[in-house]
Amino acid sequence: QSVLTQPPSASGTPGQRVTLSCSGSSSNIGTNTVNWYQHLPGSAPQLLIYNNNQRPSGVPDRFSGSKSGTSASLAISGLQSEDEADYYCAAWDDSLSGVLFGGGTKLTVL
Amino acid sequence: QVQLVESGGGVVQRGESLRLSCLASGFIFSKFGMHWVRQAPGKGLQWVAIIRNDGSTKYYTESVRGRFTISRDNSNNTVHLQMNSLTAEDTAVYYCAKDMAVTTSRLEYWGQGTLVTVSS
Repeated sequence: QSVLTQPPSASGTPGQRVTLSCSGSSSNIGTNTVNWYQHLPGSAPQLLIYNNNQRPSGVPDRFSGSKSGTSASLAISGLQSEDEADYYCAAWDDSLSGVLFGGGTKLTVL
Repeated sequence: QVQLVESGGGVVQRGESLRLSCLASGFIFSKFGMHWVRQAPGKGLQWVAIIRNDGSTKYYTESVRGRFTISRDNSNNTVHLQMNSLTAEDTAVYYCAKDMAVTTSRLEYWGQGTLVTVSS
């Protein structure tokens, strides 16, 4: 079954670097690019990283993405309080012929 | 600037239908694929459907296939989601989103969402 697995929660202190993981399979991450979204409660989700490691204009370079095999990671350096949000990875899944979102990781800035 | 404004949400009974609309502006609508994504209360994002820029190709998540229909009107910069046979599991905030290209998983811009509540 096609699924993208993310840890449900993560935390860090201001200034720290945190890494969020996303694990998939050959039909999704293994074959297609990964995108990351930031979702603040009550707001529209925002594209944070596309094509594994590209930042849309306006996204700070504190955010970076990487992919290896069937897994991907989002790194946030210089953690700030406003980074507290839900983060989702997503990729096209060839078996489902559709977009697959991970379950999301709730990031808490302590 | 890109704007996506959803409308059509509301409270319906189980088994009823609802049609959502999303009015787009600030970009050449006919050049990009469009998505619907939903978030049920307390849950994560779930992709619902995509329609290619020219409307020729549509894909759906398994749980809505056969009940939901995505369509678009390129002359009026609007994408729709016709939802039939609604169940409580369809209760969610529904977002429309612009694809970065024709048909990808790169959802570049999102609307603010419209709430659909299905009561039993």
